[in-house]
Amino acid sequence: SQQGEEDPQALSIQEGENATMNCSYKTSINNLQWYRQNSGRGLVHLILIRSNEREKHSGRLRVTLDTSKKSSSLLITASRAADTASYFCATAYSGAGSYQLTFGKGTKLSVIP
Amino acid sequence: DAGITQSPRHKVTETGTPVTLRCHQTENHRYMYWYRQDPGHGLRLIHYSYGVKDTDKGEVSDGYSVSRSKTEDFLLTLESATSSQTSVYFCAISDPNEQFFGPGTRLTVL
Repeated sequence: SQQGEEDPQALSIQEGENATMNCSYKTSINNLQWYRQNSGRGLVHLILIRSNEREKHSGRLRVTLDTSKKSSSLLITASRAADTASYFCATAYSGAGSYQLTFGKGTKLSVIP
Repeated sequence: DAGITQSPRHKVTETGTPVTLRCHQTENHRYMYWYRQDPGHGLRLIHYSYGVKDTDKGEVSDGYSVSRSKTEDFLLTLESATSSQTSVYFCAISDPNEQFFGPGTRLTVL
């Protein structure tokens, strides 16, 4: 079964507003990653936060991780129409030589100009 | 797209026929993955490889097999395609943290 679950499933905001997406997971992780997917395209990596980190920034992106609650959030500030896409969290597990990501079902973000 | 290609990009086939999808990378990454993406299910791992001839099953491996005889190529085979395997298939590579995705293959099984 899938590890990460994003919330909300869909989000519609006006350009310039902030967008917040949440991700919950079930078991211990090595790190948690966020990806973006534009319609009809492959996923693009946005940001990685390790299990011993609590917050990370990259440009207009801010990610938090609370391992005690097994949850993460992705904040996109000052949103633009070009941010319209689906956003996925992925939890990373490694062991016995393998390295896997388990993806959630995604949040579909619509930014209205 | 980080030196990763998939072929074919689109394929329509009939139930019961064998199908092979190819993933090719020029990044020399150790890890390669095959996912399928379906509405309401997100991205699900089919098989992955952590080196030449080293492969393992993912969450939805039934009906699929893989092979990796060279670092740069990872093949996904549907031995006898079924309509439930109609999907968009993505290949990804990593070394090992962030994953880089190919453009996807849209497969329709009639």
